[in-house]
Amino acid sequence: DTAVSQTPKYLVTQMGNDKSIKCEQNLGHDTMYWYKQDSKKFLKIMFSYNNKELIINETVPNRFSPKSPDKAHLNLHINSLELGDSAVYFCASSQSEQGSPYFGPGTRLTVT
Amino acid sequence: AQSVTQPDIHITVSEGASLELRCNYSYGATPYLFWYVQSPGQGLQLLLKYFSGDTLVQGIKGFEAEFKRSQSSFNLRKPSVHWSDAAEYFCAVGLYGGATNKLIFGTGTLLAVQP
Repeated sequence: DTAVSQTPKYLVTQMGNDKSIKCEQNLGHDTMYWYKQDSKKFLKIMFSYNNKELIINETVPNRFSPKSPDKAHLNLHINSLELGDSAVYFCASSQSEQGSPYFGPGTRLTVT
Repeated sequence: AQSVTQPDIHITVSEGASLELRCNYSYGATPYLFWYVQSPGQGLQLLLKYFSGDTLVQGIKGFEAEFKRSQSSFNLRKPSVHWSDAAEYFCAVGLYGGATNKLIFGTGTLLAVQP
């Protein structure tokens, strides 16, 4: 019954590797997001998609590439991982671009 | 520039005491305001939101917040805190329009509840 789900919940990897985080929402929402929460708990938007179309790319390095195969999914692929990428990544969705985002449980990424 | 300030990094209250968490925003237009709660190791849960209308907003878990335009504030309150309320609380302002639809979050207030 999970509204917004993410896999994996934890991800530990070495510098230079490529990894993906998957997100799915079963709320029928049109808009999906990726937010990053750093070690000081600060939350900042990375991307937003509306009906599979990229709306916001918040000056995120090109190593980060979101992909939305359909309205219910927004995956995040990260190339050449760096130590500074260590954070918790939250997927979220909202009914419209002006709706209240519902957040997933987060994926804790640790780059060693 | 749009911003959200939560002046209190950490607050400790006794169980059963009242609670007020402060939030100030900077935004030129009428703001869309939110409060989220994050329990340890969990995602963010929406407590309440203000879009328009009545400036006193009721949320889940017995929380309420009051929008005060003159003070650019949206403080969160609860009359009697329970131990399960211990968590991190985030205030956010929604920026909407054109290609910009996102939330700007404050830095959070960590609430500890002592017996």
